[in-house]
Amino acid sequence: KAGVTQTPRYLIKTRGQQVTLSCSPISGHRSVSWYQQTPGQGLQFLFEYFSETQRNKGNFPGRFSGRQFSNSRSEMNVSTLELGDSALYLCASLPGQGRNEQFFGPGTRLTVL
Amino acid sequence: TQLLEQSPQFLSIQEGENLTVYCNSSSVFSSLQWYRQEPGEGPVLLVTVVTGGEVKKLKRLTFQFGDARKDSSLHITAAQPGDTGLYLCAGARNTDKLIFGTGTRLQVFP
Repeated sequence: KAGVTQTPRYLIKTRGQQVTLSCSPISGHRSVSWYQQTPGQGLQFLFEYFSETQRNKGNFPGRFSGRQFSNSRSEMNVSTLELGDSALYLCASLPGQGRNEQFFGPGTRLTVL
Repeated sequence: TQLLEQSPQFLSIQEGENLTVYCNSSSVFSSLQWYRQEPGEGPVLLVTVVTGGEVKKLKRLTFQFGDARKDSSLHITAAQPGDTGLYLCAGARNTDKLIFGTGTRLQVFP
């Protein structure tokens, strides 16, 4: 099976702009989680989607949003970018059926200037 | 509040040495996972432990879940440069989201 794919791999934006990141989970996986990883805060949970519905949400401001499509692909959007949003954004696909191990993609490295 | 604290935060050792990484919490978890992340990649699952006191071995890596399911350890025997990476523990409480630990960055020199 192909792994989790994330696009783009690298992104440079300026403050105030908005950005959309994409994630395609492993075929057959219906749940997708998003994380923000920074050197200072580590891996922080953003949200989880299952069957196009947000099932869980972390403690991030409303500028961070996401959605999931009927084919399980997911996108996350960050509006009004701030310098502190510079991070590695990781998407993870979950097999479901009571199993909570996460299969991560390579991430999108976002730099906000 | 960081629910899962890992120690040490950084570890730099020579090839062939043994090491132990700790993952501690005041909360009880239904299961605990260990991941390794290499530069430029996402974390990769190494093991899941679910029973208090459980010990699992993966070649030179030994994982243990505490009896009270609040802590875990990862022991590496005869470390090799290929073991270099960021080691993350992650706890689950029933169907809730995974909570990741603070991470231990390991560097093994040849």
